[in-house]
This record gives sequence, structure tokens and C-alpha cells, in this order.
Amino acid sequence: DTGVSQDPRHKITKRGQNVTFRCDPISEHNRLYWYRQTLGQGPEFLTYFQNEAQLEKSRLLSDRFSAERPKGSFSTLEIQRTEQGDSAMYLCASSLMTLTGKGAEAFFGQGTRLTVV
Amino acid sequence: QKEVEQNSGPLSVPEGAIASLNCTYSDRGSQSFFWYRQYSGKSPELIMSIYSNGDKEDGRFTAQLNKASQYVSLLIRDSQPSDSATYLCAVRNTGGFKTIFGAGTRLFVKA
Repeated sequence: DTGVSQDPRHKITKRGQNVTFRCDPISEHNRLYWYRQTLGQGPEFLTYFQNEAQLEKSRLLSDRFSAERPKGSFSTLEIQRTEQGDSAMYLCASSLMTLTGKGAEAFFGQGTRLTVV
Repeated sequence: QKEVEQNSGPLSVPEGAIASLNCTYSDRGSQSFFWYRQYSGKSPELIMSIYSNGDKEDGRFTAQLNKASQYVSLLIRDSQPSDSATYLCAVRNTGGFKTIFGAGTRLFVKA
């Protein structure tokens, strides 16, 4: 399977605990995105990497959220001191930056569904 | 004003009909536009991309773009019950880094 892979698929955690999610992008893709999606809404942008550099973070991303992409390969998203409002589907997507900048369709992984109880 | 707006639906069409889904966006400098399909409980799946004004056809799907009106649409011909899903319009903003999604339109195709 050469698509975007996310792990775990489901996570149930108690409020106040820390959680970490992993995303493995399509191997040749240099851009990686994290989105959050709640019921009835479209994916909401969280952050974006080009290779190993984190180039943009949403203002909605509180200090409890941190993302890394060491060596420009896989990425992790950590949520510290989880709150019930963090319950959502966390989606990772990857794309290939082109010289024209016009292409680079983003492909999503299966997502990690987080439930904070 | 939301950056990407879609009618939430639900849009209900009979099997075999044409389904028409619409989207407007606010960033006039946007250059790249995408339609994703999302089944309940699953992640979004890219079905169409369009970059120039006019129509782009792929099988039963046609994407239409009008940059002057800041309007994107998706037509699904010969709709099938398996097309029942939420359709997300996505726009890559000026600068080309971030893709913004609409809230999606729910489509029901009745057999």
C-alpha cells in the first residue's frame, strides 16, 4: 500500500492525558498537512510541513498541540493535556510540490479518530 | 464571510439524474480548486482538480470553474446510489500553501 498511512486509527483517552499520532506520507511527497474534522464540518487546517520545515500553523492550534516531521519523512502530532473539545478526526494529507505550484493534489490518510472521555 | 461556502444540503436526486453541487470562495487570488468525496466515517477522497476557467470532464464527473464569479461547481451525470456521500469543495489559497475546505454538501441518490 503506497498511500498515506496514519496510526492509530482510533484512540480513546482520558481528559488530561497526552496523545501522539503518526502519519507516514506517500514516499515521494514533500508536503505534509494535518487537519482536524468534527461531525458535519469540513477538514480544518492545523499545520503544514514542506520537507522537515513547519511553515505554517493555524491560529486555532493552541500551545497544547505540537507537530514534528524529523528528516522530512513521517510526522507526529502530539496533543498535551487533552480536553473533551479535542475529540475529532485528525487527518493527515500529503502532496508533491511542483515548480508551477498549480498541481500538488493532496491525498488523505484514513485518519485517527480521537475520543476524549 | 466563510472562505469556502457550500450549501450543506441534503441534496436528493433520483438514480440516473444529474447532481449539481456548487461552491463559492472568497480569496480572489486562489489558483487551485478541488472536489473531494467523503463517505460517512471515512477520510476525504480526491475526485477532481481544476485550475483554469471552464469545464473539466472525467468520466461521469464535470468540474466547472468561473474565477470572475469565484464559483466552482461539480456535476455528476447518471447519478448512482453509490455516489451518496458528502462532497467537499477545497480551494488552495494565494501563495499555494494552505488548502481550505468548505463544510460539504450531503448528496443522496435515491434508487
